[in-house]
Amino acid sequence: GENVEQHPSTLSVQEGDSAVIKCTYSDSASNYFPWYKQELGKRPQLIIDIRSNVGEKKDQRIAVTLNKTAKHFSLHITETQPEDSAVYFCAASPNNNAGNMLTFGGGTRLMVKP
Amino acid sequence: GAVVSQHPSWVICKSGTSVKIECRSLDFQATTMFWYRQFPKQSLMLMATSNEGSKATYEQGVEKDKFLINHASLTLSTLTVTSAHPEDSSFYICSARALAGARSYNEQFFGPGTRLTVL
Repeated sequence: GENVEQHPSTLSVQEGDSAVIKCTYSDSASNYFPWYKQELGKRPQLIIDIRSNVGEKKDQRIAVTLNKTAKHFSLHITETQPEDSAVYFCAASPNNNAGNMLTFGGGTRLMVKP
Repeated sequence: GAVVSQHPSWVICKSGTSVKIECRSLDFQATTMFWYRQFPKQSLMLMATSNEGSKATYEQGVEKDKFLINHASLTLSTLTVTSAHPEDSSFYICSARALAGARSYNEQFFGPGTRLTVL
């Protein structure tokens, strides 16, 4: 099955700095890579996703890059703000008939210091 | 759009009792719903995939007789934790995927989660 590794597990940055979270996956059949933000005790919220037919996607301060050859993808947050503090999860999903189940990375706790 | 609700949001029960958690897609139809368990400071672990009108597919290590899943309609799936024990205490989150052909077909929309505490 798919295995998703996420690094770092914790990340502390100063407000205004950039934050980068990296994930690797094992299954070359995976073709959908969402990123979720989860605040304590709440549901994961999709913040950005990328499909295998593109290498980069950007939405305001958030961007995701994908390297299918190397099987890794990254989340970039620029101009971080205290409200960006949360746990971020990457995930990978294969394109098959099993229902596109998501395999999550271990999560990154991001702390943005004002 | 794409709202998923869960009920209850939290529950405390005695060891040995059974607890039912409901997951509903409020404004879309979902052929597939997923059930996850999340322990404190850990990632989401998929427990099972639930398809409307058929038996759920359980992940390795998840006891199907302990975690009963019923997906009776395109908008409702239930997870029943039978004979709950303290080690079953966790945050249970469902997600739903829209019908094939929908623009959001490949996305999962998460419920708010249910915090189960077994005494």
